[in-house]
Amino acid sequence: EIVMTQSPATLSVSPGERATLSCRASQNIGSDLAWYQQKPGQAPRLLIYDASTRATGIPARFSGSGSGTEFTLTISSLQSEDFAVYYCQQYNNWPPWTFGQGTTVEIK
Amino acid sequence: QVQLVESGGGVVQPGESLRLSCAVSGFTFSSYGMHWVRQAPGKGLEWVAFIWYNGRNEYYTDSVKGRFTVSRDKSKNTLFLQMNSLRAEDTAVYYCAKDHILTGYYGSFIDWWGQGTPVTVSS
Repeated sequence: EIVMTQSPATLSVSPGERATLSCRASQNIGSDLAWYQQKPGQAPRLLIYDASTRATGIPARFSGSGSGTEFTLTISSLQSEDFAVYYCQQYNNWPPWTFGQGTTVEIK
Repeated sequence: QVQLVESGGGVVQPGESLRLSCAVSGFTFSSYGMHWVRQAPGKGLEWVAFIWYNGRNEYYTDSVKGRFTVSRDKSKNTLFLQMNSLRAEDTAVYYCAKDHILTGYYGSFIDWWGQGTPVTVSS
């Protein structure tokens, strides 16, 4: 089973600032990585797939990078609606499909 | 517009059964693999099960193997999760989710999620 590890657990950022979230895979997953955003009481929403491709309707301030075992989600200028929990997920080697434990982006 | 609407959640005692349903619309249900993902209270996301677009193969996380069964009815555009021998640790919100790949014999990432249905297992 591939273990996904996200850091930090919580990120405190001021509106308008840049946020950088990390995700590490326990083995090489190529670019088979997705990022999801989840707000309280809501279902997750797909942000990024194939490590760097934005999903339909996702603003350009969200970007993904990385390959192999190290990945990054960057939010270039945080808006109020971006404060949420972010999960990475690998789909290279399954089952199981595995998620990271999540990073909470909170208002500083 | 893609929609996935779960139902069937509730409160049950340990050892009992529950059947979740997920009614889908807005896409060709019979052409996509489907997942169930759960989220325990205050915890992260955990993948539970996946079924091929044609229903011919299924995969499960180890902790539910032999207890949960995923199935689909293309005539009703509905996905199911039969959950037997429920345990306290199965308590979670259960999400139905659509895989991205069209008629693929493999799984990929999730591109649409339902709103979830809560399941509580407690004596």
